[in-house]
This record gives sequence, structure tokens and C-alpha cells, in this order.
Amino acid sequence: QQQVKQSPQSLIVQKGGIPIINCAYENTAFDYFPWYQQFPGKGPALLIAIRPDVSEKKEGRFTISFNKSAKQFSLHIMDSQPGDSATYFCAARATGTASKLTFGTGTRLQVTL
Amino acid sequence: GAGVSQTPSNKVTEKGKYVELRCDPISGHTALYWYRQSLGQGPEFLIYFQGTGAADDSGLPNDRFFAVRPEGSVSTLKIQRTERGDSAVYLCASSLTALAPSTDTQYFGPGTRLTVL
Repeated sequence: QQQVKQSPQSLIVQKGGIPIINCAYENTAFDYFPWYQQFPGKGPALLIAIRPDVSEKKEGRFTISFNKSAKQFSLHIMDSQPGDSATYFCAARATGTASKLTFGTGTRLQVTL
Repeated sequence: GAGVSQTPSNKVTEKGKYVELRCDPISGHTALYWYRQSLGQGPEFLIYFQGTGAADDSGLPNDRFFAVRPEGSVSTLKIQRTERGDSAVYLCASSLTALAPSTDTQYFGPGTRLTVL
């Protein structure tokens, strides 16, 4: 049972473009939504995270938009660079589940010159 | 400082064999997690330790899988009678603690790629 649905599966943008990755969830007990970046052969690394009491969070070129009523959240990458080419995972954690993360299926992003 | 390390980086074994995968968390981190990542998928939770005890093992797929953390630091994931379907990347993560949301960022290791022939 997939609790966090992520789209698109893959994405190609030109340098400077703004890729957008979307995630949706059903479990209203989720209270923490991190995004992870993974390069080939490496483990996932935390990029940015948001809690449902805010609708947007920015860290550098990365922005999370959060829509609690729609149970959706998205990652925007401003001024994307070839070095941003990686797989991105959204995730969620439910209250009382002691940090167990539920991940989306991932989006493979390619930023071309 | 050193991050989470995992050994071996690759493990090839035959169906039916026993394997052990090791995780060294970041020094001082009390919480440790194991996830499994199949090709083209996101990591799936297996088990979580707070200190030496398994606080949540609800993700272990069956009784062939077992994990220990006897001294509250290094952890070993043990798989008995391996099957071809066990082939995946096994990821370990650690966090300072899982008991306070502000300090529970999970830091992942590079994983062990297990191939069962």
C-alpha cells in the first residue's frame, strides 16, 4: 500500500529552469515531510523539510509548498543546475511512529546544459 | 566528522545462504534505522533502534530477517536463507535521537547492495 504518491517519475529540464516535483498523501497523521536527494551509489541526503503548520519553506534554491487541505506538497528547484541532476524522494512521518519515514517512489531529474 | 558507514558495499551470495550487513552510525547517535531500497523505488522501512532495543520492527518482511544492536552503536542486519527477492540496496540511517522532533534528522549511509543469485 503506497501511502505517499510521487510524480513525475522522471523529469528533464534545461539549466536555469524550475523543475517541480509533486507528492500526495492520504494519512492525516503525517506531521513531517522531508525531501531527500540521492546521487547514484550514495545514500539519500536530507534537502529540506516542512511541517504542516506552514504553507511554504525556502532554503536556498529549494522551496517546499504545502497544501494541508489537499494533502499535497511539492518541491521547486529554482535556477536548476546540472549538478542538481539526481533522484529526489519525498517522504512523510506520522505522529507517534518514532521517526519511521514513508518514502515516495522517487523522481529522476536531469538538468541539461 | 565521519558519516554513517556500511560494510560491505556490495555482497553477492547464493540463494539459501546467510548474510550479515553491518552499519556504523554517526558517533553519539542513539537512533538507528534500516531501510531497503529496491531498484527504481524509494527506501522502505525495516526496523528502528533507540539505543540497544528494537523500538519498531514492523517493516521486517518475515522471520528470515533479524537485526541487532547489542551495545547501542554498531548494528548488524542478518538475513537467513536468502531468496532472489531479497536483492536490493540495504540502507542504514542514524539520528541524534528519535525522541525529539528537532533532533531526529536521519543521515543515511551509502548502502550495501545485496545480490542473491
